[in-house]
Amino acid sequence: GQNIDQPTEMTATEGAIVQINCTYQTSGFNGLFWYQQHAGEAPTFLSYNVLDGLEEKGRFSSFLSRSKGYSYLLLKELQMKDSASYLCAVRRTQAGTALIFGKGTTLSVSS
Amino acid sequence: DTGVSQNPRHKITKRGQNVTFRCDPISEHNRLYWYRQTLGQGPEFLTYFQNEAQLEKSRLLSDRFSAERPKGSFSTLEIQRTEQGDSAMYLCASSPTQGAFEQYFGPGTRLTVT
Repeated sequence: GQNIDQPTEMTATEGAIVQINCTYQTSGFNGLFWYQQHAGEAPTFLSYNVLDGLEEKGRFSSFLSRSKGYSYLLLKELQMKDSASYLCAVRRTQAGTALIFGKGTTLSVSS
Repeated sequence: DTGVSQNPRHKITKRGQNVTFRCDPISEHNRLYWYRQTLGQGPEFLTYFQNEAQLEKSRLLSDRFSAERPKGSFSTLEIQRTEQGDSAMYLCASSPTQGAFEQYFGPGTRLTVT
């Protein structure tokens, strides 16, 4: 079966750094995606990793280790607007096919 | 607005009725996906199209569900004989034909079956 695990909830304070972990066990791997979803809204694309290592985009970074089936999303200089659900998703086969999503991690940022 | 659009945004229907949702993808994207999301869960894949061809369907897509993309542009998702368990947010996404093939989601159609 396909399994993607993330913590259900995390809390942090403004200005801090938070790391959201994701582990996956899937039959096939062709890329890992992170999405942000505010309550009642659609997911928005944050980052993509297909090779091992760190990808940095402004305040957000994402890391992948394919041998460990592990990824994390790092958020720096947290802002209140970063309070949202963060979804880890794996694409199992060739580019352009469906994503398998984890249940998401709800991040609450307080002042 | 050049993003993915979905209509209607909300639909309330009685059990047993048929409903149809529409998705208009980003114009230059040839791949279109349908997902379903319930509270506290991530999106679950239903089906996807490349142009007008339906290339993959999830086992979640029972015979009461049908999707079409007749001209390779907009897509419709129909649910026949709705059940209370069909209540969910139905999300449409599209992706470009190169790069990471990241999927861009529409605002969703929230279906409530009473």
